[in-house]
Amino acid sequence: EADIYQTPRYLVIGTGKKITLECSQTMGHDKMYWYQQDPGMELHLIHYSYGVNSTEKGDLSSESTVSRIRTEHFPLTLESARPSHTSQYLCASSLAFGELFFGEGSRLTVL
Amino acid sequence: DQQVKQNSPSLSVQEGRISILNCDYTNSMFDYFLWYKKYPAEGPTFLISISSIKDKNEDGRFTVFLNKSAKHLSLHIVPSQPGDSAVYFCAATLSDDKIIFGKGTRLHILP
Repeated sequence: EADIYQTPRYLVIGTGKKITLECSQTMGHDKMYWYQQDPGMELHLIHYSYGVNSTEKGDLSSESTVSRIRTEHFPLTLESARPSHTSQYLCASSLAFGELFFGEGSRLTVL
Repeated sequence: DQQVKQNSPSLSVQEGRISILNCDYTNSMFDYFLWYKKYPAEGPTFLISISSIKDKNEDGRFTVFLNKSAKHLSLHIVPSQPGDSAVYFCAATLSDDKIIFGKGTRLHILP
């Protein structure tokens, strides 16, 4: 059973606010990822990390930033949220090649 | 430009019958393919995978077929059960560990 947790599950905020989406895993996985998904669309990779102090941007351009100070923690931050950031954000981790374990997602709505 | 395509947004199948979900890809360098299943308000969960050196992989009721010459893979579920109703994502990966997802197919199992 995968142990990866995301908070908050749902968030509604106003434009211009700073937000941080939390993601933690207890499996000791080195690789962690953030995906963004809109309804009926594919998951787009926005950030990934292969270990502590390693972060890379994904294929989809994003105004968010991430950090990886501890193996188990991979938070995503938006300094100034806009309505275009409204989406579902999915965090994942992996040990074996290709097999991702996903959290339940954080659904963000920016008014 | 989509590299992984799931051309059927939805599919309805009678309980007990076979469900066949299709996926096409454009990049012949993909070397590993995966299927994920997603229930509403949950993150995707890994279902089954196949390496590009194989043409079939079976796990219980789930079988994935790969046709490299046609750049096509399919997921067969037999017999289909009510709990199989979900969105199914096809995904492909290169050796750099980035996983590229399709848009998903919503499967409805009818009683």
